[in-house]
Amino acid sequence: QVQMVQSGAEVKKPGASVKVSCKTSGYSFRDSYIHWVRQAPGQGLEWMGWINPHSGGTKSAQKFQGRFTVTRDTSISTAYMELTSLRSEDTAVYYCARDVLNAGDSWGQGTLVTVSS
Amino acid sequence: EIVLTQSPGTLSLSPGESATLSCRASQRINNNYLAWYQQKPGQAPRLLVYGVSTRATGIPDRFSGSGSGTDFTLTINKLVPEDFAVYYCQQYGSSLTWTFGRGTKVEIK
Repeated sequence: QVQMVQSGAEVKKPGASVKVSCKTSGYSFRDSYIHWVRQAPGQGLEWMGWINPHSGGTKSAQKFQGRFTVTRDTSISTAYMELTSLRSEDTAVYYCARDVLNAGDSWGQGTLVTVSS
Repeated sequence: EIVLTQSPGTLSLSPGESATLSCRASQRINNNYLAWYQQKPGQAPRLLVYGVSTRATGIPDRFSGSGSGTDFTLTINKLVPEDFAVYYCQQYGSSLTWTFGRGTKVEIK
């Protein structure tokens, strides 16, 4: 079955960067886009961007442009999300999700990123 | 950018009752790229419906999606205890982005 397993929780200081991984299995990694979505404490879902694992092409929400990078390693079926210049408002659970028919049919378990001095 | 407005913010119902959740888009959603998710505390979202009305794998038939254009509805028939959760709608736009509504919480009355 499809699995998306994310890396563990992170605590970072303001101004630092964080890189979260999303290891996939159970399907052909190159065949489906992977999206990144975050959720601040007690808030709703916020789309951040996607990567096309086949081509490496990416797109990010305008809000995150310049701070948000999505990459992949096809040899290990893993996608990565890096967010730089962290601030307290970036404290959130970060999710990866597989795109099937323009919806997220499988999600990672989430990675809590806490930004605190 | 399309904005999705979900209503009501909170729905208080008893098990056995039916829930009607609304998602209204600020512009017409083309190609029926509208999905619904359920999220429980501490869990990742779970896809319920995509393409407006197609249930995802393993989703019970008490969940149904409908609508077109700018107005969409998720109906949950005969609520069972595990259905009390937060529900989000999501659209995929021509700018190749996802947008989520702010969610509707279905709580036990």
